[in-house]
Amino acid sequence: SAVISQKPSRDICQRGTSLTIQCQVDSQVTMMFWYRQQPGQSLTLIATANQGSEATYESGFVIDKFPISRPNLTFSTLTVSNMSPEDSSIYLCSVWEYPSNYGYTFGSGTRLTVV
Amino acid sequence: DAKTTQPPSMDCAEGRAANLPCNHSTISGNEYVYWYRQIHSQGPQYIIHGLKNNETNEMASLIITEDRKSSTLILPHATLRDTAVYYCIVRVSPKTNAGNMLTFGGGTRLMVKP
Repeated sequence: SAVISQKPSRDICQRGTSLTIQCQVDSQVTMMFWYRQQPGQSLTLIATANQGSEATYESGFVIDKFPISRPNLTFSTLTVSNMSPEDSSIYLCSVWEYPSNYGYTFGSGTRLTVV
Repeated sequence: DAKTTQPPSMDCAEGRAANLPCNHSTISGNEYVYWYRQIHSQGPQYIIHGLKNNETNEMASLIITEDRKSSTLILPHATLRDTAVYYCIVRVSPKTNAGNMLTFGGGTRLMVKP
C-alpha cells in the first residue's frame, strides 16, 4: 500500500494566522482526502482533493477557510486559514489507489494547536 | 452508506481473544464491512474487510452473520499494543464508488489490560 508523509507532524500557531499542511505519497494514487479529528472525537471528512480542479467540500467546510491544492497524483496541501482556537485538531490525509479493493491509507496526521 | 452501531468501550485481558461487535442492520447487498483502528496519536490503520464470507488475515478475523446485519472483529491474542479505537464502517467497494469516502462513527475504545 501507499506510504504517506505528512508535514508538519505538529504545530502551535497564533490565532489569525494560516498553516499549510503537506501530504506526499510515494506512488500515484487515484483519490486523496482530508479529514479533521477534533479532540476526543471521531474523524470528519473535510474534502476530496481533485487533481487539477477545485476540491469537493463536505457540508460545513468551505474553500475560503480550508483551501486545498492537488497539483499531481502524489501531492496535496490543506491550508487552515485565519485560525481560531476552535481549529485545534488533528488533520489527516488519506488516499486510495485504484484498483485496490482494500482499505484506504492514512497519514500520521498533523496535530494543530491554536493559541 | 449503512449506519453502524458499536459499544463505546470494551476491556480485554492481555493474551485473550478480543471480540468487537458491530451492528449494521441496514446494510445493502453491495456494501462491504471494513474495520480500522486508531492507536493513540496515529492515523487510522486498515485491519480487514469482507462482504459475506468470514475473512482472516495476519491481524484479525472477521465474522459476518448470515443475514449480514452484524459482524464481529476478533483479535485472537490481544496484546497491550492492540489498545486503540476500533471503527466498523460499511460502504460499497471504492472500485464501485470511490467518491464516497469513509464515514467514521464513534468506534469502540478497546483497552487491553495486563
